[in-house]
Amino acid sequence: EVQLVESGGGLVQPGGSLRLSCTASGFTFSSYDMHWVRQVTGKGLEWVSAIGTFADTYYPDSVKGRFTISRENAKNSLYLQMNSLRAGDTAVYYCARIARGGSYTRGYFDLWGRGTLVTVSS
Amino acid sequence: DIVMTQSPDSLAVSLGERATINCKSSQSVFYSFNNKNYLAWYQQKPGQSPKLLIYWASIRESGVPDRFSGSGSGTDFTLTISSLQAEDVAVYYCQQHYDTPLTFGGGTKVEIK
Repeated sequence: EVQLVESGGGLVQPGGSLRLSCTASGFTFSSYDMHWVRQVTGKGLEWVSAIGTFADTYYPDSVKGRFTISRENAKNSLYLQMNSLRAGDTAVYYCARIARGGSYTRGYFDLWGRGTLVTVSS
Repeated sequence: DIVMTQSPDSLAVSLGERATINCKSSQSVFYSFNNKNYLAWYQQKPGQSPKLLIYWASIRESGVPDRFSGSGSGTDFTLTISSLQAEDVAVYYCQQHYDTPLTFGGGTKVEIK
């Protein structure tokens, strides 16, 4: 089955760190650009980071310098290292696959995981 | 950043009736070199992750029922559900992938009247 499964979410104090993981199955992970997208409970979607097949990365200003996206193709895994966390980072974090055929920063998402909840609170 | 504005925020439609959702971008998301609009639509059912419905503004993803259709170009786009079914209750989002940062509309909640 083609799927993405996130893990690693939880409760963390402001200023703390957390590492999210996403495990892919059912497709050739190394051939796809991958992203993280987050969603505050009951709110809209916000793009968080992107990584291309050659491990080139891109971030919006809201997380640049605090978050790091990486991948380990041998393990079919995507990661998001989150440092200096703030209350505003509280959200469900989804990993999402970019459909083939476009730039890794200019794509639409054809596969989403179920998400993992990150709560930043003291 | 390209701002995506959806309307309405919510709508209630009777079963079998048409539902229309609008999405407006703050700048054009049309690339003339390939004649494509960089606009996608997603459906998010309660408790689930988003699911791709439409890409390139008007192309249905494989497996999506043909009652869903997308239209528009440049800055103005529409998602239409031609005959609303009970399983279509969800929040619908548009997304532009013309430029970074990738941005989404605020969502439109569709309910049964």
